[in-house]
Amino acid sequence: AQTVTQSQPEMSVQEAETVTLSCTYDTSENNYYLFWYKQPPSRQMILVIRQEAYKQQNATENRFSVNFQKAAKSFSLKISDSQLGDTAMYFCAFSNAGGTSYGKLTFGQGTILTVHP
Amino acid sequence: EPEVTQTPSHQVTQMGQEVILRCVPISNHLYFYWYRQILGQKVEFLVSFYNNEISEKSEIFDDQFSVERPDGSNFTLKIRSTKLEDSAMYFCASKATVYEQYFGPGTRLTVT
Repeated sequence: AQTVTQSQPEMSVQEAETVTLSCTYDTSENNYYLFWYKQPPSRQMILVIRQEAYKQQNATENRFSVNFQKAAKSFSLKISDSQLGDTAMYFCAFSNAGGTSYGKLTFGQGTILTVHP
Repeated sequence: EPEVTQTPSHQVTQMGQEVILRCVPISNHLYFYWYRQILGQKVEFLVSFYNNEISEKSEIFDDQFSVERPDGSNFTLKIRSTKLEDSAMYFCASKATVYEQYFGPGTRLTVT
């Protein structure tokens, strides 16, 4: 079974600064997807960024980028130029790319990020 | 932009009652999921549904839970006899083929 671990329960950052959220995972699969989801106070789950395990290039999406280290099973999220609207809970998630567990998301415990003005 | 919808947004029920949570996935999606999130905790997988049958379920998804896609558009989660510990946010999600799932806004279930 896959596990996802987020070791930072809470993080804070000043507006316009950069922050990195950590995530590690454990799997015996070789082909899988990794995601970061944002959950603001409304509790809606919003996809921030995804990474395919077979791609060596780290994914980027505007101010959001990841550092994917497959051998270390590490998948961190970097938020540049932090904005007040980035304040939310962030979840790292894992999904198999095939098999009977195809698509099932396994989430980490979440990191509460607070952006201060 | 198409989106997943869920109704009701908040359901209050008494312990032992049956509840049905409803979801309308994105129309061309083929894979459907239910997750739950107890307040302050992580999101947990309940069940996945594909080709009109359950493809996987978690240990949480016991005999008190069932899912249905009754009419080709709705996707429902039924809890037959609710317990206090069923109080949580329930999220429906759908997926086309590869990549990401799209989540609905959630139904907050309160069992008293």
